[in-house]
Parts: sequence; structure tokens; C-alpha cells
Amino acid sequence: EDQVTQSPEALRLQEGESSSLNCSYTVSGLRGLFWYRQDPGKGPEFLFTLYSAGEEKEKERLKATLTKKESFLHITAPKPEDSATYLCAVQASAGGTSYGKLTFGQGTILTVHP
Amino acid sequence: ETGVTQSPTHLIKTRGQQVTLRCSSQSGHNTVSWYQQALGQGPQFIFQYYREEENGRGNFPPRFSGLQFPNYSSELNVNALELDDSALYLCASSFLVSGGPYTQYFGPGTRLTVL
Repeated sequence: EDQVTQSPEALRLQEGESSSLNCSYTVSGLRGLFWYRQDPGKGPEFLFTLYSAGEEKEKERLKATLTKKESFLHITAPKPEDSATYLCAVQASAGGTSYGKLTFGQGTILTVHP
Repeated sequence: ETGVTQSPTHLIKTRGQQVTLRCSSQSGHNTVSWYQQALGQGPQFIFQYYREEENGRGNFPPRFSGLQFPNYSSELNVNALELDDSALYLCASSFLVSGGPYTQYFGPGTRLTVL
């Protein structure tokens, strides 16, 4: 069974204090790993898709990286508007079908204080 | 380009009732998935529809059912509501690429409260 574990559960940072969020996964053949941002009471907002180990993607203050067992979301010089829950999800290969189920972690709640 | 929309925004039902939630996919997408998100948890996969047929299902009982229409809009139906069904229900649309990863784009969700 596919599993995703995110750490820490909550992270509090001062504005400008860089840090990283971790996503560890076990999956029977990785089709893709996804990062989403979710604001309270809203739907997840897509950030990145990573396909293979060694891949990196950047968007503004965020940078996502992928290894064979985990992914990191690096936040450089965060601002209060970066406060949100960050979700990691994996999509597994399913033997020839196009079954696209996402398995999510429980999320990391990030709070950035001014 | 219109994003994923869901209706209603909020819904209150009593135990034993039935509910229908609706979703309109993003333009150009051919696949819709439904997820249940309990408070403080990550979303849990309910099922996925492709070309109007169920294309995969998570660990949810048969009282959770769905439909996808020719215009790629979708409905989630839940019968015999239980208190534990209280959650945020999320619809996600995507363009299915055979064998490849494909990104799912989420709607704003429907908050269901069962009393």
C-alpha cells in the first residue's frame, strides 16, 4: 500500500528564516510526486510535479527536490503570505492502466510570523 | 480558462439523509476525481471517472457513488449519511495521459456537516 509521511506536522518561522519541509514516501512504482498548498477551508492549489529522482523545480521562494525515497520543499526567505498547509501526494504506476489516484500525506502547517 | 467549480459551498444534513454534490471540470479536462478531507487530515481518494465510467475506487463503501456527464461535469452521491461523513469534499479534474503522470487541479470544495 502506498504511504506518504510528512514532517514536521507544524513549523513556525520568522519572516526571512529559510527552512525545509520533508515528504517521505513508499510506492509501488512512482508515476509522479506532487506538492500542493492549501489555505484554511479552501481546495489544494497545485505547486509542483516531480517525475524522477534528481529532479528540481522552483517557483518564487519555493524549491522542490526529489530522491528515490523522499522529497523536500525548501522555502527561502519566507513571508507571512506563505503561511498555509503544504500537502505532498504520490501517484503510483498501476500496471498499464491510467488509474490516477493521489495518496496524500497529512500535511505540514507552516506559519510565518512578521 | 475556467477552473474547477463545486456546488454547494456548504451543506448541512441529518444522519440517514442523502446528499448530491456537484463539480464542473476545468475546460479541456477529461477526468474527474473525488476526495474526502477530514479536519486536520490529507485528502482521501474516493473514486475517479474517465469517459463517464468509474476508473478506480478507494476504500469507501458503495453508499458513495458518482456520475460523470458528457460535458465532463460530475456528481458525488452519498446515501444513508453518517456522522463520520462530515468533511470537506474535493473534486479534482485532469487531462488523462496514458502511462504518464498527470496533475489534478482541485476545486474549492463542499463543506458537508452531518448532524
